[in-house]
Amino acid sequence: EIVLTQSPATLSLSPGERATLSCRASQSVSSYLAWYQQKPGQAPRLLIYDASKRATGIPARFSGSGSGTDFTLTISSLEPEDFAAYYCQQRSNWPRTFGPGTKVDIK
Amino acid sequence: QVQLQQSGPGLVKPSQTLSLTCAISGDSVSSNSAAWNWIRQSPSRGLEWLGRTYYRSKWKNDYAVSVKSRISINPDTSKNQFSLQLSSVTPEDTAVYYCARDDDQGMNYFDYWGQGTLVTVSA
Repeated sequence: EIVLTQSPATLSLSPGERATLSCRASQSVSSYLAWYQQKPGQAPRLLIYDASKRATGIPARFSGSGSGTDFTLTISSLEPEDFAAYYCQQRSNWPRTFGPGTKVDIK
Repeated sequence: QVQLQQSGPGLVKPSQTLSLTCAISGDSVSSNSAAWNWIRQSPSRGLEWLGRTYYRSKWKNDYAVSVKSRISINPDTSKNQFSLQLSSVTPEDTAVYYCARDDDQGMNYFDYWGQGTLVTVSA
């Protein structure tokens, strides 16, 4: 099973600041990595797939990069609605696995 | 627009069977490209994929090793829905359960999710 680790666990930032979230895989997942956003009481929402492609309707301030074992989600300028938890997920191998998440909260 | 609507009890007794249903609109459970998944989330285990059902000339299932002996995911074509059954539950199965779609001809990730059902295992 591929283990995903995310850092930091919590990121405290102010609106307008840049957020950089990291996801590392225990073995190569090529570019088969997605990022999800989850707000309290809601299901996860797909933001980025195949490491760098934005899902339908996702604002351009969200971008993804990386391949192999190291990936980054960047939010260029935080909007109030971006304060949430973010999870990475791989589809390179079965079972599909998720990272433990990074919570972006308001500083 | 695909929508997934979950239903089922929020409280299950230990050793009993957890049963949830996910009704699909905007797509078909018999789609030749979609797969219909159950995923759960708990503070101790995070997001955990449990299994899926899908149709590729015949019905197929894949299950996580951690629950393989206790899980069954079945389609209901007459109602365009699919279900989860998890037997012999313990308090460790307490979690929010989600149904979700992934599509081979789409993004191939979990692009549509149900609203989630908190299931508590307690006497």
